[in-house]
Amino acid sequence: NAGVTQTPKFRILKIGQSMTLQCTQDMNHNYMYWYRQDPGMGLKLIYYSVGAGITDKGEVPNGYNVSRSTTEDFPLRLELAAPSQTSVYFCASSRGTGRYEQYFGPGTRLTVT
Amino acid sequence: EDKVVQSPLSLVVHEGDTVTLNCSYEVTNFRSLLWYKQEKKAPTFLFMLTSSGIEKKSGRLSSILDKKELFSILNITATQTGDSAVYLCAVETNRDDKIIFGKGTRLHILP
Repeated sequence: NAGVTQTPKFRILKIGQSMTLQCTQDMNHNYMYWYRQDPGMGLKLIYYSVGAGITDKGEVPNGYNVSRSTTEDFPLRLELAAPSQTSVYFCASSRGTGRYEQYFGPGTRLTVT
Repeated sequence: EDKVVQSPLSLVVHEGDTVTLNCSYEVTNFRSLLWYKQEKKAPTFLFMLTSSGIEKKSGRLSSILDKKELFSILNITATQTGDSAVYLCAVETNRDDKIIFGKGTRLHILP
């Protein structure tokens, strides 16, 4: 059981480049989340999804896009990378809310220069 | 605006000491409060609290929620160097199914 997997683990982007962070879970969870964590800070919610075909903005959605075409996958897209997007990105999933914990992927460390 | 505030932001103690980490929150439509431990990589789940006054316990860690005063504490007794980590508090809301994280408490245990 792989849980939540993220790729790549590390990436360096130039300003203005685009990329997609991949996230896959094999637990058949309905809920999936993308967070970013800046140095010395807590996690901030970027986007989340309550099921295939349904996505919604979190706290810091600007500069990002998501899609949820399947239950398993929840990719995060950066269209025009900016230095402010240098961060560690975590994907998480949960069966639901209220009674269910979130399972986190290992993270993607992104540097934009 | 919904917010979760953790204190202290950092803490250094000696092995064997007992520590108490605090988490206060102001959110509309509270659903649950969660504690996570984050070492070098992704956070790992510790506790989920939904009811006031009921202590959750796991080994040397315990946590309790006060929904009237809007806070939770995480206690660690007989600390060990392996407890060194960032401890994150998060609150789930019924409004838009959102989760708000605090900035975390960085705990360092000296041998």
